[in-house]
Amino acid sequence: KAGVTQTPRYLIKTRGQQVTLSCSPISGHRSVSWYQQTPGQGLQFLFEYFSETQRNKGNFPGRFSGRQFSNSRSEMNVSTLELGDSALYLCASSLKQNNSPLHFGNGTRLTVT
Amino acid sequence: AQSVTQLDSQVPVFEEAPVELRCNYSSSVSVYLFWYVQYPNQGLQLLLKYLSGSTLVKGINGFEAEFNKSQTSFHLRKPSVHISDTAEYFCAVSHILTGGGNKLTFGTGTQLKVEL
Repeated sequence: KAGVTQTPRYLIKTRGQQVTLSCSPISGHRSVSWYQQTPGQGLQFLFEYFSETQRNKGNFPGRFSGRQFSNSRSEMNVSTLELGDSALYLCASSLKQNNSPLHFGNGTRLTVT
Repeated sequence: AQSVTQLDSQVPVFEEAPVELRCNYSSSVSVYLFWYVQYPNQGLQLLLKYLSGSTLVKGINGFEAEFNKSQTSFHLRKPSVHISDTAEYFCAVSHILTGGGNKLTFGTGTQLKVEL
C-alpha cells in the first residue's frame, strides 16, 4: 500500500506570493492533518480534515487555509507569504477519527525569500 | 492542556550500547502516547504507540517504551543501538478534539547520534 504522498518536495517562493501544497493520503484513510515544522517552534498542528470538512484548526493566522476533496486528497494554501513561513510542511493521514496513529508523508520544504 | 517534555536535546551513544530517550507528559485526561522517528529530509515514521493495556510497548527496529502513569513518563529504550539509528526522535501525546478527531502535541525532539 502506498504511503502518504506530498507534492512538491521543495518549493521556493518570494514574500507576498501564495503557495498551494498537495497531499494524497493512504488509500482508505479519511482523516488528513497538516503540521508545520520549524527549528524554532518545532512541530505545530495546522488543521485536520475529515470527509471534506475542516474539523479542527490550530493557532495559525487566516493566511493558512486548506481543503479536502471527495477522494480524501487535501491541499493547503498559504497566502501573502512571509519569511517566517519557511518550514517543512507535513501531511498525515489516519484510518479513523480517534487515536489512530498518524502516518506522515515526507513533507514539502517551503523556502520564502 | 497537554504538553510533552523531552529533556535531552541530544544524546550521543556508542554503537551497540543501550540508550534511553526520556519523555514526560502532562495531561488531565486519558493519554495516548507515541514515539516517532525522523531521518534527515524525511517525514515522521511511527516507532510505537501506547493506547491501553500493557505498559510495556514494543515497536519497530528493536525499540520499546514503558508507560508509567505515576511518573507521567513514556521513555524510549533500545538495548543495543546501531549506526543507522542516528535520527531525531519525537515523543507525542494525542489529544481528542471537541470537533472529533485528534491532534498530536509533540515534544521538541531528541537527536540521537550513534558513534562508532
